[in-house]
Amino acid sequence: AQTVTQSQPEMSVQEAETVTLSCTYDTSENNYYLFWYKQPPSRQMILVIRQEAYKQQNATENRFSVNFQKAAKSFSLKISDSQLGDTAMYFCAFMKLGTNAGKSTFGDGTTLTVKP
Amino acid sequence: GAVVSQHPSWVICKSGTSVKIECRSLDFQATTMFWYRQFPKQSLMLMATSNEGSKATYEQGVEKDKFLINHASLTLSTLTVTSAHPEDSSFYICQGQTNYGYTFGSGTRLTVV
Repeated sequence: AQTVTQSQPEMSVQEAETVTLSCTYDTSENNYYLFWYKQPPSRQMILVIRQEAYKQQNATENRFSVNFQKAAKSFSLKISDSQLGDTAMYFCAFMKLGTNAGKSTFGDGTTLTVKP
Repeated sequence: GAVVSQHPSWVICKSGTSVKIECRSLDFQATTMFWYRQFPKQSLMLMATSNEGSKATYEQGVEKDKFLINHASLTLSTLTVTSAHPEDSSFYICQGQTNYGYTFGSGTRLTVV
Protein backbone atom coordinates (compact mmCIF):
# COMPACT_ATOMS: atom_id res chain seq x y z
CA ALA A 1 0.00 0.00 0.00
CA GLN A 2 1.07 3.52 -0.68
CA THR A 3 1.18 6.38 1.80
CA VAL A 4 1.49 10.09 1.16
CA THR A 5 2.58 12.49 3.87
CA GLN A 6 2.22 16.24 3.89
CA SER A 7 3.89 17.48 7.04
CA GLN A 8 2.67 21.07 6.85
CA PRO A 9 -1.02 21.39 7.75
CA GLU A 10 -0.98 25.15 7.25
CA MET A 11 1.31 27.63 5.57
CA SER A 12 1.18 31.28 4.70
CA VAL A 13 3.11 33.47 2.30
CA GLN A 14 3.15 37.10 1.32
CA GLU A 15 1.82 37.98 -2.07
CA ALA A 16 4.53 37.90 -4.76
CA GLU A 17 6.85 35.75 -2.68
CA THR A 18 7.78 32.11 -3.11
CA VAL A 19 6.57 29.19 -1.02
CA THR A 20 7.39 25.49 -1.03
CA LEU A 21 4.97 22.78 0.06
CA SER A 22 6.42 19.45 1.14
CA CYS A 23 5.30 15.95 0.27
CA THR A 24 6.86 12.57 0.87
CA TYR A 25 5.51 9.21 -0.13
CA ASP A 26 6.19 5.57 0.41
CA THR A 27 5.77 2.91 -2.23
CA SER A 28 7.37 -0.21 -3.60
CA GLU A 29 6.11 0.59 -7.08
CA ASN A 30 8.43 1.76 -9.81
CA ASN A 31 5.91 3.15 -12.26
CA TYR A 32 3.61 5.84 -11.00
CA TYR A 33 2.48 9.41 -11.30
CA LEU A 34 2.60 12.12 -8.69
CA PHE A 35 0.23 15.05 -8.62
CA TRP A 36 -0.39 18.29 -6.86
CA TYR A 37 -4.02 19.35 -6.72
CA LYS A 38 -5.48 22.64 -5.59
CA GLN A 39 -8.83 22.74 -3.81
CA PRO A 40 -10.18 26.26 -3.34
CA PRO A 41 -13.19 27.02 -1.12
CA SER A 42 -15.47 25.90 -3.97
CA ARG A 43 -14.01 22.42 -3.33
CA GLN A 44 -13.44 21.80 -7.02
CA MET A 45 -10.28 19.73 -7.40
CA ILE A 46 -7.92 21.42 -9.84
CA LEU A 47 -4.84 19.75 -11.23
CA VAL A 48 -1.81 21.93 -10.63
CA ILE A 49 1.00 19.75 -11.90
CA ARG A 50 1.82 16.16 -12.75
CA GLN A 51 5.12 14.28 -12.64
CA GLU A 52 5.78 10.93 -14.25
CA ALA A 53 8.11 8.85 -12.10
CA TYR A 54 10.17 7.70 -15.08
CA LYS A 55 11.03 11.29 -15.97
CA GLN A 56 14.05 12.76 -14.25
CA GLN A 57 13.24 16.29 -15.33
CA ASN A 58 11.13 18.19 -12.86
CA ALA A 59 7.72 19.26 -14.13
CA THR A 60 6.95 22.95 -14.49
CA GLU A 61 3.69 24.78 -15.16
CA ASN A 62 4.11 28.53 -15.26
CA ARG A 63 4.60 29.66 -11.64
CA PHE A 64 4.40 26.12 -10.31
CA SER A 65 7.31 23.71 -10.28
CA VAL A 66 8.21 20.56 -8.44
CA ASN A 67 11.36 19.12 -6.95
CA PHE A 68 11.05 15.40 -7.54
CA GLN A 69 13.57 13.25 -5.72
CA LYS A 70 12.69 9.66 -6.58
CA ALA A 71 15.27 7.98 -4.41
CA ALA A 72 14.24 10.04 -1.42
CA LYS A 73 10.55 9.67 -2.33
CA SER A 74 10.08 13.39 -2.06
CA PHE A 75 7.87 15.58 -4.21
CA SER A 76 7.69 19.23 -3.17
CA LEU A 77 5.76 22.01 -4.89
CA LYS A 78 7.20 25.48 -5.35
CA ILE A 79 4.87 28.37 -6.04
CA SER A 80 6.63 31.46 -7.31
CA ASP A 81 5.22 34.98 -7.35
CA SER A 82 2.34 33.90 -5.11
CA GLN A 83 -1.04 35.39 -5.89
CA LEU A 84 -4.11 35.85 -3.74
CA GLY A 85 -5.91 33.34 -5.93
CA ASP A 86 -3.44 30.68 -4.89
CA THR A 87 -5.08 30.57 -1.47
CA ALA A 88 -6.45 27.05 -1.21
CA MET A 89 -5.87 23.62 0.18
CA TYR A 90 -3.20 21.72 -1.72
CA PHE A 91 -3.10 17.95 -1.93
CA CYS A 92 -0.23 15.78 -2.99
CA ALA A 93 -1.35 12.53 -4.59
CA PHE A 94 0.19 9.27 -5.74
CA MET A 95 -1.24 7.19 -8.56
CA LYS A 96 0.10 3.79 -9.44
CA LEU A 97 0.21 2.51 -12.98
CA GLY A 98 -0.29 -1.01 -14.23
CA THR A 99 -2.75 -3.18 -12.32
CA ASN A 100 -5.44 -1.07 -10.62
CA ALA A 101 -4.09 1.97 -12.45
CA GLY A 102 -5.78 5.23 -11.67
CA LYS A 103 -6.44 4.68 -7.98
CA SER A 104 -5.01 7.64 -6.13
CA THR A 105 -3.74 8.03 -2.61
CA PHE A 106 -3.89 11.55 -1.23
CA GLY A 107 -1.98 13.31 1.49
CA ASP A 108 -3.83 15.11 4.25
CA GLY A 109 -3.40 18.45 2.54
CA THR A 110 -1.75 21.78 3.24
CA THR A 111 -3.85 24.88 3.65
CA LEU A 112 -2.04 27.75 2.00
CA THR A 113 -2.95 31.35 2.68
CA VAL A 114 -1.53 34.10 0.52
CA LYS A 115 -1.51 37.39 2.38
CA PRO A 116 -1.74 40.75 0.65
CA GLY B 1 -10.52 19.53 -21.98
CA ALA B 2 -12.30 16.55 -20.51
CA VAL B 3 -15.23 17.54 -18.32
CA VAL B 4 -17.10 15.56 -15.72
CA SER B 5 -20.46 17.03 -14.78
CA GLN B 6 -21.55 16.07 -11.27
CA HIS B 7 -25.06 16.62 -9.92
CA PRO B 8 -26.46 17.66 -7.62
CA SER B 9 -23.88 20.05 -6.21
CA TRP B 10 -25.56 19.92 -2.87
CA VAL B 11 -28.46 18.01 -1.37
CA ILE B 12 -30.23 17.83 1.96
CA CYS B 13 -32.21 14.71 2.71
CA LYS B 14 -34.03 13.20 5.61
CA SER B 15 -32.57 10.32 7.54
CA GLY B 16 -33.65 7.00 6.08
CA THR B 17 -34.10 8.21 2.53
CA SER B 18 -31.86 7.50 -0.45
CA VAL B 19 -29.92 9.97 -2.54
CA LYS B 20 -28.49 9.51 -6.01
CA ILE B 21 -25.44 11.38 -7.24
CA GLU B 22 -24.66 11.43 -10.96
CA CYS B 23 -21.40 11.94 -12.77
CA ARG B 24 -21.51 12.40 -16.52
CA SER B 25 -18.53 12.60 -18.80
CA LEU B 26 -19.48 15.29 -21.29
CA ASP B 27 -16.83 15.04 -23.98
CA PHE B 28 -15.16 11.70 -23.44
CA GLN B 29 -16.01 8.13 -22.62
CA ALA B 30 -15.23 7.29 -19.04
CA THR B 31 -14.63 3.58 -18.87
CA THR B 32 -13.56 4.00 -15.28
CA MET B 33 -14.86 6.33 -12.60
CA PHE B 34 -13.46 6.68 -9.10
CA TRP B 35 -15.64 7.78 -6.19
CA TYR B 36 -14.17 9.62 -3.23
CA ARG B 37 -15.48 10.89 0.04
CA GLN B 38 -14.08 13.93 1.81
CA PHE B 39 -14.84 15.20 5.29
CA PRO B 40 -14.32 18.92 6.01
CA LYS B 41 -10.67 19.93 5.89
CA GLN B 42 -9.60 16.34 5.43
CA SER B 43 -8.20 14.30 2.62
CA LEU B 44 -10.02 12.41 -0.12
CA MET B 45 -10.66 8.79 0.64
CA LEU B 46 -11.29 6.40 -2.22
CA MET B 47 -14.58 4.59 -1.77
CA ALA B 48 -14.88 2.54 -4.92
CA THR B 49 -13.90 2.12 -8.54
CA SER B 50 -16.61 1.68 -11.13
CA ASN B 51 -16.05 0.22 -14.56
CA GLU B 52 -18.58 0.46 -17.35
CA GLY B 53 -20.63 -2.69 -17.63
CA SER B 54 -19.25 -4.45 -14.58
CA LYS B 55 -19.61 -4.44 -10.83
CA ALA B 56 -17.87 -1.77 -8.84
CA THR B 57 -14.84 -2.57 -6.74
CA TYR B 58 -15.16 -1.25 -3.21
CA GLU B 59 -12.35 -0.29 -0.89
CA GLN B 60 -12.00 -2.06 2.41
CA GLY B 61 -14.46 -0.80 4.98
CA VAL B 62 -16.92 0.68 2.48
CA GLU B 63 -20.39 -0.83 2.70
CA LYS B 64 -21.36 -1.85 -0.80
CA ASP B 65 -25.02 -2.22 0.16
CA LYS B 66 -25.12 1.34 1.45
CA PHE B 67 -23.19 2.97 -1.35
CA LEU B 68 -24.57 1.55 -4.57
CA ILE B 69 -22.56 2.34 -7.65
CA ASN B 70 -23.83 1.87 -11.17
CA HIS B 71 -21.85 2.47 -14.34
CA ALA B 72 -24.28 1.40 -17.02
CA SER B 73 -22.88 3.50 -19.84
CA LEU B 74 -19.60 5.02 -20.92
CA THR B 75 -20.81 8.48 -19.98
CA LEU B 76 -22.69 7.97 -16.74
CA SER B 77 -21.76 6.66 -13.32
CA THR B 78 -24.04 7.01 -10.31
CA LEU B 79 -23.58 6.68 -6.58
CA THR B 80 -26.68 6.04 -4.49
CA VAL B 81 -26.49 6.48 -0.76
CA THR B 82 -29.20 4.21 0.57
CA SER B 83 -31.00 4.70 3.87
CA ALA B 84 -28.87 7.72 4.56
CA HIS B 85 -27.99 8.67 8.12
CA PRO B 86 -26.38 11.80 9.53
CA GLU B 87 -22.97 10.12 9.62
CA ASP B 88 -23.18 9.80 5.82
CA SER B 89 -23.10 13.59 5.56
CA SER B 90 -19.98 14.40 3.60
CA PHE B 91 -18.59 15.70 0.32
CA TYR B 92 -18.64 13.12 -2.45
CA ILE B 93 -16.57 13.59 -5.57
CA CYS B 94 -16.05 11.51 -8.68
CA GLN B 95 -13.05 11.30 -10.96
CA GLY B 96 -13.21 10.07 -14.50
CA GLN B 97 -10.41 8.38 -16.41
CA THR B 98 -9.75 9.87 -19.83
CA ASN B 99 -7.27 8.99 -22.53
CA TYR B 100 -5.04 11.78 -21.33
CA GLY B 101 -5.43 11.64 -17.60
CA TYR B 102 -8.02 12.00 -14.93
CA THR B 103 -10.56 14.71 -14.27
CA PHE B 104 -12.73 15.45 -11.25
CA GLY B 105 -16.38 16.31 -11.00
CA SER B 106 -17.27 19.39 -9.00
CA GLY B 107 -18.46 17.39 -6.01
CA THR B 108 -21.69 16.90 -4.09
CA ARG B 109 -22.24 18.11 -0.57
CA LEU B 110 -24.64 15.74 1.16
CA THR B 111 -26.31 16.71 4.41
CA VAL B 112 -28.54 14.18 6.12
CA VAL B 113 -30.89 15.60 8.73
